[in-house]
Amino acid sequence: DSGVTQTPKHLITATGQRVTLRCSPRSGDLSVYWYQQSLDQGLQFLIHYYNGEERAKGNILERFSAQQFPDLHSELNLSSLELGDSALYFCASSIRTGGNEKLFFGSGTQLSVL
Amino acid sequence: DQQVKQNSPSLSVQEGRISILNCDYTNSMFDYFLWYKKYPAEGPTFLISISSIKDKNEDGRFTVFLNKSAKHLSLHIVPSQPGDSAVYFCAATNSGYALNFGKGTSLLVTP
Repeated sequence: DSGVTQTPKHLITATGQRVTLRCSPRSGDLSVYWYQQSLDQGLQFLIHYYNGEERAKGNILERFSAQQFPDLHSELNLSSLELGDSALYFCASSIRTGGNEKLFFGSGTQLSVL
Repeated sequence: DQQVKQNSPSLSVQEGRISILNCDYTNSMFDYFLWYKKYPAEGPTFLISISSIKDKNEDGRFTVFLNKSAKHLSLHIVPSQPGDSAVYFCAATNSGYALNFGKGTSLLVTP
């Protein structure tokens, strides 16, 4: 158990809909990262938050947004969903920020857009 | 643009033998490299890492080798065990930035 909690584990929805994925980082971790794993792309970095502030953006679509709340949990909002958004979404946390920190991953949310 | 490449989607090795997983990268600014291991229905877990100032790091049965001139790193598992069967992700970073992952190599260790 990594200590990172993601909910829900599975989500099935229709095209055009909006969903929210939730992540609770390990106790004491200030950084939260979101990654998307699709079948042919591996793990793609989406966005990084540190102590409530956005620190870096990766390949995140404009239809997607995220935030980190004062209690350090984070939410990833996906809107106007398309079939291609079907993927496994991982959240990871670390104590600080900086690439040399090893990340602790949650078990992911499997999103299926039908 | 995939900056970290794992060109072998899968690898099968007999128990007790050596497993060698390879990874190439294109960004010469990367200065820290990591390997993560992922079992089905779980998130990736950290396995081993290496700084660009080193060419080898060893942790038990796992050794990572870095060849900066070739922009290549490899993970050696000796001896391989059935419990090592998992997907292995290579990752790289330029300090202060998020990890760039490869697509993963699925390792199967057969008895």
